[in-house]
Amino acid sequence: AQSVTQPDIHITVSEGASLELRCNYSYGATPYLFWYVQSPGQGLQLLLKYFSGDTLVQGIKGFEAEFKRSQSSFNLRKPSVHWSDAAEYFCAVGARSGGYQKVTFGTGTKLQVIP
Amino acid sequence: DVKVTQSSRYLVKRTGEKVFLECVQDMDHENMFWYRQDPGLGLRLIYFSYDVKMKEKGDIPEGYSVSREKKERFSLILESASTNQTSMYLCASSSTGLGVLGNSPLHFGNGTRLTVT
Repeated sequence: AQSVTQPDIHITVSEGASLELRCNYSYGATPYLFWYVQSPGQGLQLLLKYFSGDTLVQGIKGFEAEFKRSQSSFNLRKPSVHWSDAAEYFCAVGARSGGYQKVTFGTGTKLQVIP
Repeated sequence: DVKVTQSSRYLVKRTGEKVFLECVQDMDHENMFWYRQDPGLGLRLIYFSYDVKMKEKGDIPEGYSVSREKKERFSLILESASTNQTSMYLCASSSTGLGVLGNSPLHFGNGTRLTVT
């Protein structure tokens, strides 16, 4: 069975600073990896996804993530954070489970942005 | 744009009541999901459905059931609501996508915050 670990529950960064959110996954085969963002009171929105190919993937809102198979990681990065990036971020792994799609989420990292 | 609509934003129910949470998607997606979201626990899968009238248990199905009579609609049912079912409930849908399972992103509704007193 797959699992996802987001070791940081809460991160605070200054506006304009760089950001890295950590994600480690466990899955026996090639994983399908996602990052979602949830603004307060909203559902989750897809930021980016990795299926295969180039290990550095670009997403919306200036985010990128790098897949590192050797470290079982899929960390999310942004070079310069904006106040509107304050939200909760979820890493997820999608896989086949009994012939169906199953997506497992991490516990989330809440990002606070200070002026 | 895919739209996933959850009928209620907030619900307050009493212990023992039967509760229906409704979800409708407008993109002809095959797969639909119900998650609950609790602080510190992330999203946990309750049930999912990959076709009309088909359903599969997720990781925490106890105390819940589902119904999918039409492709666009997926209902979550709490047969007898309990206080430990107070939570945010998120519905999502996805397409099967190129016939490869596991790689389709989920499209989420805005959630239903259920309080059971």
